[in-house]
Parts: sequence; structure tokens; C-alpha cells
Amino acid sequence: DQQVKQNSPSLSVQEGRISILNCDYTNSMFDYFLWYKKYPAEGPTFLISISSIKDKNEDGRFTVFLNKSAKHLSLHIVPSQPGDSAVYFCASGGSNYKLTFGKGTLLTVNP
Amino acid sequence: DTGVSQDPRHKITKRGQNVTFRCDPISEHNRLYWYRQTLGQGPEFLTYFQNEAQLEKSRLLSDRFSAERPKGSFSTLEIQRTEQGDSAMYLCASSPAPRGQPQHFGDGTRLSIL
Repeated sequence: DQQVKQNSPSLSVQEGRISILNCDYTNSMFDYFLWYKKYPAEGPTFLISISSIKDKNEDGRFTVFLNKSAKHLSLHIVPSQPGDSAVYFCASGGSNYKLTFGKGTLLTVNP
Repeated sequence: DTGVSQDPRHKITKRGQNVTFRCDPISEHNRLYWYRQTLGQGPEFLTYFQNEAQLEKSRLLSDRFSAERPKGSFSTLEIQRTEQGDSAMYLCASSPAPRGQPQHFGDGTRLSIL
């Protein structure tokens, strides 16, 4: 069973607009969540994280929102830039240190 | 650059051969992780070390797979008697000790089995 789900395989937005990437999880034992960005032929690069005791974390153009009751988190990128075009992975962690990843969403930002 | 380093970047081998990959973590990180990623999937956890101790192994890690981290520094992942299904990207990550700290990934070793 897939404990972390990214239901949108791809998303296309215009430069300067907001990108919203979504992620759902099923395991209530997850208590921290991360977003990674991946370019082709490179490893995932950490973007931003959030602990389950918070509902929002912001870092520059990136904001992550957590809705624990819905087991849902989202990544907002404002404004979107062409260099943001990449695959974005949602990951969740619990007491055992390992991360469980979603399948990723390919974001394309059009100039 | 003091990021996570993996070697080789690419490995092509024939079915049945043994392969070994190396990972050098960020020097001050005492936790080291191995993941495997196949096409269209996110990284899947294989195993992790705290210093030299291997603390958890996934059921994905069959008895043909072995990982070591001697002296708590670099790590090696060996696959014996490779099979077609072993073709994947093998990713290494490291993190500081406190739980919840982000894991930082290397660029991976892409394994292709002929």
C-alpha cells in the first residue's frame, strides 16, 4: 500500500503564477514531512520541511502547509520561475528515521 | 563541495555478476541511508546506519544485498548475483543525528543489468 500519495503526475503553470503541489498520507505515525526537488541525472535536493506540531512553514518563495486532520500537505511556490521546473517529491518520516516518498509530480513552469 | 558523494555514477554489468557501490556522506553526519529508485517511482528505503551500526533493513533488501559502514565513515552497498530487476538508481543520503533533520542525497549510482 502506498502510504504517501502524490495524485498529480504533472502540473504546468505560467511564470510568475503560483504553483501548488499536493500530497496525501495515510500513516498517522508520520510526524515530519519534507519536500524534495529533483532534476534529471541528479539526486533529490531538500527544499523545505514541516513538523507535525506546525501547520505552516515558509522559506522565501516556498511555503508548506500541513492539515493533520485531513492528512494532507501542500507546497506553494510563489512566484514560479522557469528554473523551478523539476520533479517534486513529498516525503514523510516517523520514529524510525526512514523516509517514505510519494511518486513525484513533474512541475513545468512556462516562460 | 562537501555534499554526499557516490561512486560510480553509472555501472553496466551482466546478469549474475557482483557489483559494489560506495557512498561518502557529509563528514559531520552520523546517519547514512541507502534508497533505491526505479522509473516513475519515488526513492524506496533500503537500509540505514547510525555510525557503524546498521539499525534497520527493508524487506526489499534480499540476502543478495549487503551494506557496510566500517568505522562509521563511508559506506558500501554490494549486490551479489545481479538480476534484471536490480536495474535502478541507488541513492545514498546522510543526516545529522536529531530525528527530523533533512536527509541530504548524493547524485546516485545508476545500475543497468544486461
